[in-house]
Amino acid sequence: AQSVSQHNHHVILSEAASLELGCNYSYGGTVNLFWYVQYPGQHLQLLLKYFSGDPLVKGIKGFEAEFIKSKFSFNLRKPSVQWSDTAEYFCAVKGAYSGAGSYQLTFGKGTKLSVIP
Amino acid sequence: GAGVSQSPRYKVAKRGQDVALRCDPISGHVSLFWYQQALGQGPEFLTYFQNEAQLDKSGLPSDRFFAERPEGSVSTLKIQRTQQEDSAVYLCASSFLGFRDQPQHFGDGTRLSIL
Repeated sequence: AQSVSQHNHHVILSEAASLELGCNYSYGGTVNLFWYVQYPGQHLQLLLKYFSGDPLVKGIKGFEAEFIKSKFSFNLRKPSVQWSDTAEYFCAVKGAYSGAGSYQLTFGKGTKLSVIP
Repeated sequence: GAGVSQSPRYKVAKRGQDVALRCDPISGHVSLFWYQQALGQGPEFLTYFQNEAQLDKSGLPSDRFFAERPEGSVSTLKIQRTQQEDSAVYLCASSFLGFRDQPQHFGDGTRLSIL
């Protein structure tokens, strides 16, 4: 069964600090990887996704993530956070091809990010 | 609107009552998913539809949970004889296709509280 582990439950940063949120997954096959963000009072929104190709993926609002296959990791990064980045961030995985686990997303427990002005 | 619409946004029910939660996916989206998000947890998969066919219901926690999508668009998640452990946010998501390069788009969810 596939699983996702997010290392940090709550991260507190000052504006302009750099961000790295850890994500490790377990899945016995080729994967698609995602980061979703949930701003206060809003629905889950796709931040970025990895399907294939360049393991360094750039998303919206200056976020990027790097897929390291050998480490089963997909860490999220941002060089300089803003107060508006305060949100909860979810890493998710699904199988890349048809078959079991290829359609539903498996999520981590999420990391709450609080950015202090 | 252009997004996934869920109703009601909030639902309070007494233990033992039946509830029905509605999801309107994005127009033209073939795949529809239901997830359950307990407090402090990430969303967990419940069931998956491709058009009107329910292809996977392995995540439904008990036979009190039932989902349908009779015409391949709107879906309803029904919970019978609700229990306190059913309290959670129920999320609906849709995508053009269930696999390949198609991300899922989520609704705002229905927050269900069982008293």
